[in-house]
Amino acid sequence: GNSVTQMEGPVTLSEEAFLTINCTYTATGYPSLFWYVQYPGEGLQLLLKATKADDKGSNKGFEATYRKETTSFHLEKGSVQVSDSAVYFCALSTGRRALTFGSGTRLQVQP
Amino acid sequence: GAVVSQHPSRVICKSGTSVKIECRSLDFQATTMFWYRQFPKQSLMLMATSNEGSKATYEQGVEKDKFLINHASLTLSTLTVTSAHPEDSSFYICSARAGGHNEQFFGPGTRLTVL
Repeated sequence: GNSVTQMEGPVTLSEEAFLTINCTYTATGYPSLFWYVQYPGEGLQLLLKATKADDKGSNKGFEATYRKETTSFHLEKGSVQVSDSAVYFCALSTGRRALTFGSGTRLQVQP
Repeated sequence: GAVVSQHPSRVICKSGTSVKIECRSLDFQATTMFWYRQFPKQSLMLMATSNEGSKATYEQGVEKDKFLINHASLTLSTLTVTSAHPEDSSFYICSARAGGHNEQFFGPGTRLTVL
């Protein structure tokens, strides 16, 4: 079956620090990969996605590259801001099935 | 972008009562809607998949008689928690997908507290 493993949090960084949140997956077939962000008290928002190997998704300074050889989709940002504090979920889907989510990683950015 | 709404955003009810949560796609027709449940500081767990005009498909371990799902139109799905108990307290999130598309759009969630 499908599964997503992401690093446990919380991750605490100072403003302008470099961010990496690791995500690896197992899947049957060729999944699409996603990062979602959940701000406090809100629902999920799609941050970025990649649908095939070597694709790079990017949005709001965040990037993630679909690495088929390492089954990974690590999230990176070169300089985080306090406003980036949220919970980040890595997810995948195969075909037209529902999303399979990782456990979520809480990011806290301190000024 | 596509917008999905949920109502209510928060609900508090007494044990034994039933609660209905609505999920609406505001600017597209959602042939498929998904219901997820999120416990505090945990990930989203899929409860059921609902296709318009047909019965919902429930994930293993989810009681279909307790969590009634109706998807009667292309823009509305409802989740009714019947005879709610404190252990049903959770954050319920729906998502919707248009026909022919793979991307899901999420609602803002409904926080249910059962006293």
